[in-house]
Amino acid sequence: GENVEQHPSTLSVQEGDSAVIKCTYSDSASNYFPWYKQELGKGPQLIIDIRSNVGEKKDQRIAVTLNKTAKHFSLHITETQPEDSAVYFCAAPWGDRSSGGGADGLTFGKGTHLIIQP
Amino acid sequence: GAVVSQHPSRVICKSGTSVKIECRSLDFQATTMFWYRQFPKQSLMLMATSNEGSKATYEQGVEKDKFLINHASLTLSTLTVTSAHPEDSSFYICSAASRPKEGYTFGSGTRLTVV
Repeated sequence: GENVEQHPSTLSVQEGDSAVIKCTYSDSASNYFPWYKQELGKGPQLIIDIRSNVGEKKDQRIAVTLNKTAKHFSLHITETQPEDSAVYFCAAPWGDRSSGGGADGLTFGKGTHLIIQP
Repeated sequence: GAVVSQHPSRVICKSGTSVKIECRSLDFQATTMFWYRQFPKQSLMLMATSNEGSKATYEQGVEKDKFLINHASLTLSTLTVTSAHPEDSSFYICSAASRPKEGYTFGSGTRLTVV
């Protein structure tokens, strides 16, 4: 199975600054790495994902980087805004037969509570 | 994009009764459905995986006779919590994976409170 470690558990940044959340995974066969944002009382919402054939992906203020050799991937949020405050989870497919989503459940990191200070 | 509808959003039931949670994929066929449980301030934990027309596969420590999963069609999966107890109170979230494999879409979750 997959083991996903996520740091930090809480991150407080000033509005406008950048935030970085890091995750490591254990299964070298994993090749799909999503990031989710969860607001209180709601289900997780996919904000960005990356597959192992690329090292970086960007979508406006959000970017994800992947280092397959080191088995870690990171979420970068620039120009943070109050609405970015939420809990963020990284995840990786469970099992050793992952192929980019579909057949395997996800193992989630423990989450990062991101607080944007006005 | 893909949408998964989960109902009810909240339910309160008496101890010993059963509760059914529905999860529907609205605009795609979900070949695989996943059910997660999330306790307050904790991460999501996978409970079971179900493929359409097959029996669900439960994770270690999850009682299959207590958490009944039905995935009879490509657009509907249900989770029934039988003989609910207060310790079953949690946030239950479904997730669907489509064909072709394009990632996972999550429902909005169901807050179950057993009194």
